[in-house]
Amino acid sequence: QKEVEQNSGPLSVPEGAIASLNCTYSDRGSQSFFWYRQYSGKSPELIMFIYSNGDKEDGRFTAQLNKASQYVSLLIRDSQPSDSATYLCAVNMGKSTFGDGTTLTVKP
Amino acid sequence: DADVTQTPRNRITKTGKRIMLECSQTKGHDRMYWYRQDPGLGLQLIYYSFDVKDINKGEISDGYSVSRQAQAKFSLSLESAIPNQTALYFCATSDLQGDGSYNEQFFGPGTRLTVL
Repeated sequence: QKEVEQNSGPLSVPEGAIASLNCTYSDRGSQSFFWYRQYSGKSPELIMFIYSNGDKEDGRFTAQLNKASQYVSLLIRDSQPSDSATYLCAVNMGKSTFGDGTTLTVKP
Repeated sequence: DADVTQTPRNRITKTGKRIMLECSQTKGHDRMYWYRQDPGLGLQLIYYSFDVKDINKGEISDGYSVSRQAQAKFSLSLESAIPNQTALYFCATSDLQGDGSYNEQFFGPGTRLTVL
Protein backbone atom coordinates (compact mmCIF):
# COMPACT_ATOMS: atom_id res chain seq x y z
CA GLN A 1 0.00 0.00 0.00
CA LYS A 2 1.32 3.40 -0.94
CA GLU A 3 1.74 5.93 1.84
CA VAL A 4 -0.37 8.52 0.02
CA GLU A 5 -3.02 7.51 -2.50
CA GLN A 6 -5.14 9.77 -4.68
CA ASN A 7 -8.27 8.96 -6.61
CA SER A 8 -7.37 7.76 -10.05
CA GLY A 9 -7.96 10.10 -12.92
CA PRO A 10 -8.24 11.69 -15.19
CA LEU A 11 -11.16 13.69 -13.88
CA SER A 12 -13.23 15.75 -16.28
CA VAL A 13 -15.87 18.29 -15.23
CA PRO A 14 -17.78 20.98 -17.13
CA GLU A 15 -17.03 24.62 -16.50
CA GLY A 16 -18.88 25.90 -13.45
CA ALA A 17 -19.19 22.48 -11.81
CA ILE A 18 -17.63 21.29 -8.55
CA ALA A 19 -14.49 19.18 -8.85
CA SER A 20 -13.77 16.78 -5.98
CA LEU A 21 -10.30 15.40 -5.41
CA ASN A 22 -9.58 12.81 -2.73
CA CYS A 23 -6.49 11.58 -0.93
CA THR A 24 -5.90 8.93 1.72
CA TYR A 25 -2.77 8.40 3.79
CA SER A 26 -1.39 5.54 5.86
CA ASP A 27 0.64 7.23 8.64
CA ARG A 28 -1.69 8.14 11.52
CA GLY A 29 0.99 10.43 12.95
CA SER A 30 0.91 12.76 9.94
CA GLN A 31 0.49 16.36 10.96
CA SER A 32 0.35 18.61 7.92
CA PHE A 33 -1.50 18.21 4.65
CA PHE A 34 -1.00 20.12 1.44
CA TRP A 35 -2.56 20.39 -1.99
CA TYR A 36 -0.32 21.49 -4.84
CA ARG A 37 -1.30 22.33 -8.39
CA GLN A 38 1.06 21.43 -11.21
CA TYR A 39 0.64 22.55 -14.79
CA SER A 40 2.24 20.35 -17.43
CA GLY A 41 6.03 20.74 -17.44
CA LYS A 42 5.95 23.24 -14.59
CA SER A 43 6.82 23.02 -10.91
CA PRO A 44 4.19 22.36 -8.24
CA GLU A 45 2.70 25.36 -6.45
CA LEU A 46 0.81 25.35 -3.19
CA ILE A 47 -2.92 26.07 -3.30
CA MET A 48 -4.10 24.89 0.13
CA PHE A 49 -2.79 23.54 3.40
CA ILE A 50 -4.67 22.16 6.38
CA TYR A 51 -3.55 21.02 9.81
CA SER A 52 -6.77 20.51 11.79
CA ASN A 53 -9.84 18.33 11.31
CA GLY A 54 -12.67 19.98 9.46
CA ASP A 55 -12.99 22.32 6.53
CA LYS A 56 -10.79 25.18 5.40
CA GLU A 57 -12.00 27.53 2.70
CA ASP A 58 -9.99 29.87 0.49
CA GLY A 59 -11.94 31.45 -2.34
CA ARG A 60 -13.21 28.71 -4.64
CA PHE A 61 -11.13 26.05 -2.88
CA THR A 62 -12.10 24.03 0.19
CA ALA A 63 -9.82 21.52 1.87
CA GLN A 64 -11.36 18.91 4.16
CA LEU A 65 -9.44 16.81 6.67
CA ASN A 66 -10.63 13.77 8.61
CA LYS A 67 -7.77 12.33 10.64
CA ALA A 68 -9.86 9.47 12.06
CA SER A 69 -10.56 8.22 8.54
CA GLN A 70 -7.14 9.32 7.28
CA TYR A 71 -8.37 11.24 4.30
CA VAL A 72 -8.04 14.72 2.96
CA SER A 73 -9.97 16.17 0.07
CA LEU A 74 -10.02 19.26 -2.11
CA LEU A 75 -13.17 20.76 -3.56
CA ILE A 76 -12.99 23.29 -6.37
CA ARG A 77 -16.22 25.23 -6.83
CA ASP A 78 -17.20 27.02 -10.04
CA SER A 79 -14.43 25.18 -11.90
CA GLN A 80 -12.69 27.15 -14.64
CA PRO A 81 -10.67 25.94 -17.64
CA SER A 82 -7.62 27.49 -15.96
CA ASP A 83 -8.05 24.94 -13.15
CA SER A 84 -7.09 22.19 -15.61
CA ALA A 85 -3.90 20.73 -14.12
CA THR A 86 -2.58 17.86 -12.04
CA TYR A 87 -3.31 18.14 -8.32
CA LEU A 88 -0.84 16.59 -5.91
CA CYS A 89 -1.68 15.68 -2.34
CA ALA A 90 1.26 15.85 0.10
CA VAL A 91 1.41 14.58 3.65
CA ASN A 92 4.16 15.89 5.89
CA MET A 93 5.67 14.21 8.90
CA GLY A 94 9.10 15.84 8.84
CA LYS A 95 9.40 15.31 5.11
CA SER A 96 6.66 15.35 2.55
CA THR A 97 5.30 12.28 0.82
CA PHE A 98 3.39 12.95 -2.37
CA GLY A 99 0.60 11.07 -4.07
CA ASP A 100 0.78 10.36 -7.79
CA GLY A 101 -1.62 13.19 -8.55
CA THR A 102 -5.02 13.48 -10.16
CA THR A 103 -5.28 15.20 -13.52
CA LEU A 104 -8.28 17.50 -13.79
CA THR A 105 -9.71 18.79 -17.06
CA VAL A 106 -12.36 21.51 -16.98
CA LYS A 107 -14.24 21.66 -20.26
CA PRO A 108 -15.68 25.00 -21.45
CA ASP B 1 14.56 37.02 -9.30
CA ALA B 2 13.34 33.50 -8.54
CA ASP B 3 13.67 32.33 -4.93
CA VAL B 4 14.72 28.78 -5.90
CA THR B 5 16.86 28.34 -8.99
CA GLN B 6 18.11 25.21 -10.71
CA THR B 7 20.89 24.77 -13.25
CA PRO B 8 20.92 23.50 -15.89
CA ARG B 9 17.26 23.63 -16.98
CA ASN B 10 17.79 20.96 -19.61
CA ARG B 11 20.55 18.41 -19.98
CA ILE B 12 21.19 15.58 -22.40
CA THR B 13 23.96 13.18 -21.47
CA LYS B 14 25.20 9.71 -22.29
CA THR B 15 25.14 6.52 -20.30
CA GLY B 16 28.05 6.32 -17.86
CA LYS B 17 28.68 10.06 -17.63
CA ARG B 18 28.85 11.86 -14.29
CA ILE B 19 26.63 14.91 -14.05
CA MET B 20 25.71 17.43 -11.40
CA LEU B 21 22.47 19.33 -10.97
CA GLU B 22 22.64 22.46 -8.85
CA CYS B 23 20.09 24.22 -6.70
CA SER B 24 20.34 27.62 -5.03
CA GLN B 25 17.81 29.45 -2.86
CA THR B 26 17.44 32.95 -1.47
CA LYS B 27 14.56 32.16 0.89
CA GLY B 28 16.82 31.58 3.88
CA HIS B 29 15.30 28.15 4.52
CA ASP B 30 17.26 25.45 6.30
CA ARG B 31 15.51 22.51 4.66
CA MET B 32 16.22 21.47 1.10
CA TYR B 33 15.02 18.52 -0.99
CA TRP B 34 15.65 16.78 -4.29
CA TYR B 35 12.76 15.05 -6.07
CA ARG B 36 12.40 13.09 -9.24
CA GLN B 37 9.22 13.04 -11.31
CA ASP B 38 8.47 10.52 -14.04
CA PRO B 39 5.60 11.05 -16.52
CA GLY B 40 2.21 10.45 -14.92
CA LEU B 41 3.68 9.96 -11.49
CA GLY B 42 4.05 12.06 -8.39
CA LEU B 43 7.24 13.28 -6.78
CA GLN B 44 9.70 10.75 -5.43
CA LEU B 45 12.12 11.98 -2.76
CA ILE B 46 15.78 11.32 -3.56
CA TYR B 47 17.62 13.11 -0.73
CA TYR B 48 16.80 15.78 1.82
CA SER B 49 18.78 17.99 4.15
CA PHE B 50 17.49 19.73 7.28
CA ASP B 51 20.63 21.81 7.70
CA VAL B 52 24.17 21.99 6.33
CA LYS B 53 25.42 19.06 8.44
CA ASP B 54 22.34 16.88 8.02
CA ILE B 55 21.87 14.75 4.87
CA ASN B 56 19.25 12.00 4.62
CA LYS B 57 18.35 9.41 2.01
CA GLY B 58 14.89 9.46 0.55
CA GLU B 59 12.85 6.77 -1.18
CA ILE B 60 15.07 6.36 -4.24
CA SER B 61 18.66 7.38 -3.36
CA ASP B 62 20.47 4.54 -5.16
CA GLY B 63 22.60 5.91 -8.00
CA TYR B 64 22.50 9.47 -6.63
CA SER B 65 24.59 11.50 -4.21
CA VAL B 66 24.23 15.01 -2.82
CA SER B 67 26.31 17.80 -1.36
CA ARG B 68 25.07 20.66 0.85
CA GLN B 69 27.76 23.26 0.24
CA ALA B 70 26.02 26.00 2.21
CA GLN B 71 22.60 26.82 3.61
CA ALA B 72 21.65 28.16 0.19
CA LYS B 73 23.14 25.45 -2.05
CA PHE B 74 22.25 21.79 -2.50
CA SER B 75 23.66 19.77 -5.41
CA LEU B 76 22.58 16.40 -6.80
CA SER B 77 25.05 14.15 -8.62
CA LEU B 78 24.56 11.12 -10.81
CA GLU B 79 27.85 9.28 -10.57
CA SER B 80 27.26 7.12 -13.66
CA ALA B 81 24.08 8.07 -15.47
CA ILE B 82 21.79 5.38 -16.87
CA PRO B 83 18.77 5.73 -19.21
CA ASN B 84 16.17 5.00 -16.49
CA GLN B 85 17.34 8.14 -14.69
CA THR B 86 15.76 10.15 -17.48
CA ALA B 87 13.21 12.31 -15.64
CA LEU B 88 12.27 15.77 -14.45
CA TYR B 89 14.18 16.75 -11.31
CA PHE B 90 12.96 19.32 -8.81
CA CYS B 91 14.70 21.01 -5.93
CA ALA B 92 12.57 22.37 -3.10
CA THR B 93 12.99 24.26 0.17
CA SER B 94 10.92 24.60 3.31
CA ASP B 95 11.06 25.81 6.86
CA LEU B 96 9.37 25.13 10.16
CA GLN B 97 6.70 27.26 11.74
CA GLY B 98 7.43 28.71 15.14
CA ASP B 99 4.97 26.23 16.66
CA GLY B 100 6.81 23.28 15.08
CA SER B 101 4.28 22.62 12.34
CA TYR B 102 5.51 22.12 8.83
CA ASN B 103 5.42 24.74 6.16
CA GLU B 104 4.82 24.34 2.46
CA GLN B 105 7.64 23.50 0.10
CA PHE B 106 8.81 25.96 -2.53
CA PHE B 107 9.95 24.38 -5.75
CA GLY B 108 12.52 25.36 -8.32
CA PRO B 109 11.62 25.35 -12.03
CA GLY B 110 12.98 21.85 -12.60
CA THR B 111 15.74 20.26 -14.66
CA ARG B 112 14.77 17.99 -17.52
CA LEU B 113 17.44 15.30 -17.77
CA THR B 114 17.75 12.86 -20.66
CA VAL B 115 20.22 9.99 -20.51
CA LEU B 116 20.89 8.37 -23.87
